[in-house]
Amino acid sequence: AQSVTQLGSHVSVSEGALVLLRCNYSSSVPPYLFWYVQYPNQGLQLLLKYTSAATLVKGINGFEAEFKKSETSFHLTKPSAHMSDAAEYFCAVSDEITGNQFYFGTGTSLTVIP
Amino acid sequence: KAGVTQTPRYLIKTRGQQVTLSCSPISGHRSVSWYQQTPGQGLQFLFEYFSETQRNKGNFPGRFSGRQFSNSRSEMNVSTLELGDSALYLCASSLAPSGPTGELFFGEGSRLTVL
Repeated sequence: AQSVTQLGSHVSVSEGALVLLRCNYSSSVPPYLFWYVQYPNQGLQLLLKYTSAATLVKGINGFEAEFKKSETSFHLTKPSAHMSDAAEYFCAVSDEITGNQFYFGTGTSLTVIP
Repeated sequence: KAGVTQTPRYLIKTRGQQVTLSCSPISGHRSVSWYQQTPGQGLQFLFEYFSETQRNKGNFPGRFSGRQFSNSRSEMNVSTLELGDSALYLCASSLAPSGPTGELFFGEGSRLTVL
């Protein structure tokens, strides 16, 4: 069965500092991995996705993530945090078997301190 | 291109009532999935419909049901509402039936409060 663990339900960084949000997955078959962002009172917006191509994936708003099979991780990073990055971030996994049934982590709330 | 549209955005019900939520997917998308989002449980998969057929179902009681119409619009229904059903219900549509391009596009959700 697939599952996702996001370490740290709350992360605070200073504006301009590195953002690192952690995601570890469990999957019995090659996974597809996603990071979504959710702003207050809105739905989820895709930041980036890994679908078995390049292991370093670049997304929108300067975010990127690296798929590390040996560590079963897909951590999200951004070199320099901006105030507008404050939001809830969700990591998700699916695969060829589960298709559009995504398994989401419980989310990480990012606070950016001016 | 219009995004995923969910109605109503907010609603309040009392225990024992039933509720129907509606979702219009992005034009051309034939897969529609529903998720329940709560602070404690995060996003939990409810079910997925593709070409009017339920393809997958999550671990929810039979009080939760859904359907999809020929134009890909979908509805979900919750009967005999309980306090624990209070949540944000998110609909997501996808162009691909499955596989590596199966990115989900989410609506803004319907926030249900059960009193």
